Amino acid sequence: GDSVTQMQGQVTLSEDDFLFINCTYSTTWYPTLFWYVQYPGEGPQLLLKVTTANNKGISRGFEATYDKRTTSFHLQKASVQESDSAVYYCVLGDGGMGYKLTFGTGTSLLVDP
Amino acid sequence: NAGVIQTPRHKVTGKGQEATLWCEPISGHSAVFWYRQTIVQGLEFLTYFRNQAPIDDSGMPKERFSAQMPNQSHSTLKIQSTQPQDSAVYLCASSLDYWGGAKDTQYFGPGTRLLVL
Repeated sequence: GDSVTQMQGQVTLSEDDFLFINCTYSTTWYPTLFWYVQYPGEGPQLLLKVTTANNKGISRGFEATYDKRTTSFHLQKASVQESDSAVYYCVLGDGGMGYKLTFGTGTSLLVDP
Repeated sequence: NAGVIQTPRHKVTGKGQEATLWCEPISGHSAVFWYRQTIVQGLEFLTYFRNQAPIDDSGMPKERFSAQMPNQSHSTLKIQSTQPQDSAVYLCASSLDYWGGAKDTQYFGPGTRLLVL
């Protein structure tokens, strides 16, 4: 079945630091990959979506790209702010039917002011 | 647009009691999903409705859990004889889904935090 692996459980940065979160995925279908962000007390919300057609997504200063050869998917931001503190999930969309989401374990980002 | 609405936000039940969780999807969205979030297991898919019809319940525990969507404006997740291991945040999401592999964005509600004592 589909799977997603996020190795970084917790990341602590200072404001204006560079952020890089990586994940790897496994699927037998053409993947649609997402980064969702979750703030305390809220449900996950879409940050970025990347498909095989566009290979890259950009939103709110975040950039996501994926590498089909290495089946890796990463999220980066040049300069983080305290308000970026949240949990970031790498998510794989079920390529077969396009509806079931498989979530990674999440990366908790803490940005010190 | 109020987003996906889930009620109650918090629910405490005693072991063996029944819990019913409610979800109101975004108006016009034809797909509704339920997920469960725990510290140990993370976010897990439970079940999916499309145009009110159950499509995939492969993530639902075989016993005590059931989900329904009696009309396009709400879905319920019912847990009978709740157990402490059912304690989790239950998340509902909806999307503009259509048959054929559309990979539309799923919009999540804030979740219902269930605590079984």
